[in-house]
Amino acid sequence: KAGVTQTPRYLIKTRGQQVTLSCSPISGHRSVSWYQQTPGQGLQFLFEYFSETQRNKGNFPGRFSGRQFSNSRSEMNVSTLELGDSALYLCASSPTGTRDTIYFGEGSWLTVV
Amino acid sequence: KQEVTQIPAALSVPEGENLVLNCSFTDSAIYNLQWFRQDPGKGLTSLLLIQSSQREQTSGRLNASLDKSSGRSTLYIAASQPGDSATYLCAVKSDYGGSQGNLIFGKGTKLSVKP
Repeated sequence: KAGVTQTPRYLIKTRGQQVTLSCSPISGHRSVSWYQQTPGQGLQFLFEYFSETQRNKGNFPGRFSGRQFSNSRSEMNVSTLELGDSALYLCASSPTGTRDTIYFGEGSWLTVV
Repeated sequence: KQEVTQIPAALSVPEGENLVLNCSFTDSAIYNLQWFRQDPGKGLTSLLLIQSSQREQTSGRLNASLDKSSGRSTLYIAASQPGDSATYLCAVKSDYGGSQGNLIFGKGTKLSVKP
């Protein structure tokens, strides 16, 4: 069974641009969540989607948004990039997002210059 | 507000030693606690999941315990090997009544096992 797949793995963007990251969950998993990891703040929750609906949202500005498609694949978008958005963005999936084990992808490394 | 703390931040041990990593959380209203491993530049690998009603879980050389009332979990690694070198993270899923609480992570313990 394939794991959680994230694309692209690495990308460099310029301040002010926008970026879209993609996540394909494990087959059969309907919950997809996104986390940001930085050396200073550690892992912080961005949002969670279940059956195409945002079910939970972390404390990030509106520049961060996401969506989930009918096949459970998810995308997150960051608009008007800032230097502080440089981070590892991790996607995770689980069957229901409640008491299940949560599985993470390898992440997308974003560098904003 | 739930807070998760992991002590120590870094640990170096000789190969073969048994070791314990600690995780504490401030709010005992949790659904479950999960331990992860992260290798440099990589994503997180799930190691063990303990539901709030459980006291421990075991997988191979790993044993995780949970004491919800005291807000503590430990990850015990037996007979450590150089391949165990990584950062270990614990994360709790809080019980907000709707079961959709997100994971709240500690900052991790960076483990180095010397040959």
